[in-house]
Amino acid sequence: EAQVTQNPRYLITVTGKKLTVTCSQNMNHEYMSWYRQDPGLGLRQIYYSMNVEVTDKGDVPEGYKVSRKEKRNFPLILESPSPNQTSLYFCASSLRTGGIRANEQFFGPGTRLTVL
Amino acid sequence: KQEVTQIPAALSVPEGENLVLNCSFTDSAIYNLQWFRQDPGKGLTSLLLIQSSQREQTSGRLNASLDKSSGRSTLYIAASQPGDSATYLCAVSPPLVFGKGTRLSVIA
Repeated sequence: EAQVTQNPRYLITVTGKKLTVTCSQNMNHEYMSWYRQDPGLGLRQIYYSMNVEVTDKGDVPEGYKVSRKEKRNFPLILESPSPNQTSLYFCASSLRTGGIRANEQFFGPGTRLTVL
Repeated sequence: KQEVTQIPAALSVPEGENLVLNCSFTDSAIYNLQWFRQDPGKGLTSLLLIQSSQREQTSGRLNASLDKSSGRSTLYIAASQPGDSATYLCAVSPPLVFGKGTRLSVIA
C-alpha cells in the first residue's frame, strides 16, 4: 500500500532531551516536507526537501533539523526541545516531476508531541 | 506572500443538504490547488487536486471548481451525510500554503 508513515505517533518528553521523529514513504517521491499544526495558526511548513541531500527551510525552521540521506526517509530532529514545540507534526511527500498529478501531496498520520 | 482564506470557519448543516465551502487565495500564479479532509487528531486525506489549467474536478459527491483569475475555489458536497463531518482544508502551490480550514458538522 502506498503510504507515508511516521513514528512515533505520540510522544511526551521533557525540555532539552533530543528526539527524532521518523518519516518514510514508499512511493519513490522526490519531494518531502514537514509541517506543524497548531490551533488558530493552521499548518505551517518547517522544512522541505526537493531530493536526496537537498533540504531547505520552510516558514518556521527554528529549533528543528532535518536530513535526507535516502530518498524514502526524511527524519525531523529536535536537538533541544522546548514547550513551544508542543504541536501536531505531519510529514508529507509528492512525486514532484512527471505527470498531471505530480504535485499531489500525501500526508502521514501525524505525530502528537508534548514537551514538558 | 501567498495567503489562503477559507470561509466560513465552521458550518453546521442537516443531513441531506448540498453545501459549498469557499477558498480564496491572494496570488493567482499557482500551479495547482488541493482540497483535503482532516478528521479530529488525524492526518490529511487528499480529496481533489485541480491543476491551474483545469476548471473543476469531481469525485463521487464532491466537486471542486477553480477560478484562478479571481483567486477562488469552491468545494461542493452533494447530499451531505454525518460521515462528512470533518475539517476541510484547501492548499495552493507552489509553495504549498494552507488555509485554516472549515469545520463541517452534518447533523443527522
